[in-house]
Amino acid sequence: DAGVTQSPTHLIKTRGQHVTLRCSPISGHKSVSWYQQVLGQGPQFIFQYYEKEERGRGNFPDRFSARQFPNYSSELNVNALLLGDSALYLCASSLEGLAGPYFGPGTRLLVL
Amino acid sequence: AQTVTQSQPEMSVQEAETVTLSCTYDTSENNYYLFWYKQPPSRQMILVIRQEAYKQQNATENRFSVNFQKAAKSFSLKISDSQLGDTAMYFCAFMIATSYDKVIFGPGTSLSVIP
Repeated sequence: DAGVTQSPTHLIKTRGQHVTLRCSPISGHKSVSWYQQVLGQGPQFIFQYYEKEERGRGNFPDRFSARQFPNYSSELNVNALLLGDSALYLCASSLEGLAGPYFGPGTRLLVL
Repeated sequence: AQTVTQSQPEMSVQEAETVTLSCTYDTSENNYYLFWYKQPPSRQMILVIRQEAYKQQNATENRFSVNFQKAAKSFSLKISDSQLGDTAMYFCAFMIATSYDKVIFGPGTSLSVIP
């Protein structure tokens, strides 16, 4: 079975630009969550979506937004990029009733 | 607020030996989950083991086992018969049962397995 997939794997942007990251959950998983992992730190929770509805939001500015589609895939959007947004962005999916999200390989974003 | 602390930034172990990674957490909640995740240099975050707070029995997954001390809010990971492939960052993590996959991670412990 395929795991969580994310695209692109790497991305380079400049300050002020906008970026869209994509994620496909494990088949059968309806919950998708997004995390930001700055180099040398543990991941920080950004969003969680279930059945296309936002159920959780971390302490991130409104420049960060996300959505989930009918096929349970998801997009993370970041507007007005800052240098500090450079990080590994991880998507995770989980099965209802089984705690512990499964993570994708991540998208490495570099903002110059 | 919930926090997770890992007091060992780096550790090393000889191949085939046993190593224990420490983790403490702080919460006022009673219904939660604890996890250990592994992140090799290839960066894929892998769920190693999970523990439900309401279960007294410590979780075990092959060579990986935990020592869960709820009163002390301690959750250590023991890796037996260490293998070179165990070299990775290990993150202790916590999630309130009703928090919709909002996992709180510790800062990580970098484990090196030495041949």
